[in-house]
Amino acid sequence: SQTIHQWPATLVQPVGSPLSLECTVEGTSNPNLYWYRQAAGRGLQLLFYSVGIGQISSEVPQNLSASRPQDRQFILSSKKLLLSDSGFYLCAWTGGRQRGLEQYFGPGTRLTVT
Amino acid sequence: QQQVKQSPQSLIVQKGGISIINCAYENTAFDYFPWYQQFPGKGPALLIAIRPDVSEKKEGRFTISFNKSAKQFSLHIMDSQPGDSATYFCAAAPRRAGTALIFGKGTTLSVSS
Repeated sequence: SQTIHQWPATLVQPVGSPLSLECTVEGTSNPNLYWYRQAAGRGLQLLFYSVGIGQISSEVPQNLSASRPQDRQFILSSKKLLLSDSGFYLCAWTGGRQRGLEQYFGPGTRLTVT
Repeated sequence: QQQVKQSPQSLIVQKGGISIINCAYENTAFDYFPWYQQFPGKGPALLIAIRPDVSEKKEGRFTISFNKSAKQFSLHIMDSQPGDSATYFCAAAPRRAGTALIFGKGTTLSVSS
């Protein structure tokens, strides 16, 4: 069966510090991968998605970036965090249109920028 | 055209009652409509999904009703329980390969005992 992992689970970082959040998927190959951000009590904002290694699409211009160095690894980064970057970061995967549109989310990373 | 409009924003239902959450879309290219359930501090979990070739899909106490002509779909939770208290998101996916789900803004459901 497929599982998705995110770490760390929680993170407190000062403004201006760098960020690296990691997501890995097990039990599948060539997944589509997604990063979402959820502000407190708010909806899901798509940040990035990737259909393959090195292929990243950005949905919202901001000081975040994403990379996919391996097939089942997706990384969200920032060089300098802003207060507005605080939120709940969720990674998700799908098998793609050929293998199903069902999208599964990871457990999330709670980021607090102080 | 890429939006999915979800209502109500919040909902309070008594235990044993029916919870109804509605979503509407404009883009006729959408052909997959899932619902997600999210508990505080957790990632959303896929609850139930429907394709436009059927008008209704039921899984246990959860039912999706789909009206293709009106471009609307809804989630019905029968015999609502306190454990159903969560935030529910509807979503839609266009036919183009590799694109992401378009989510509604969510409905916070509270089931009172």
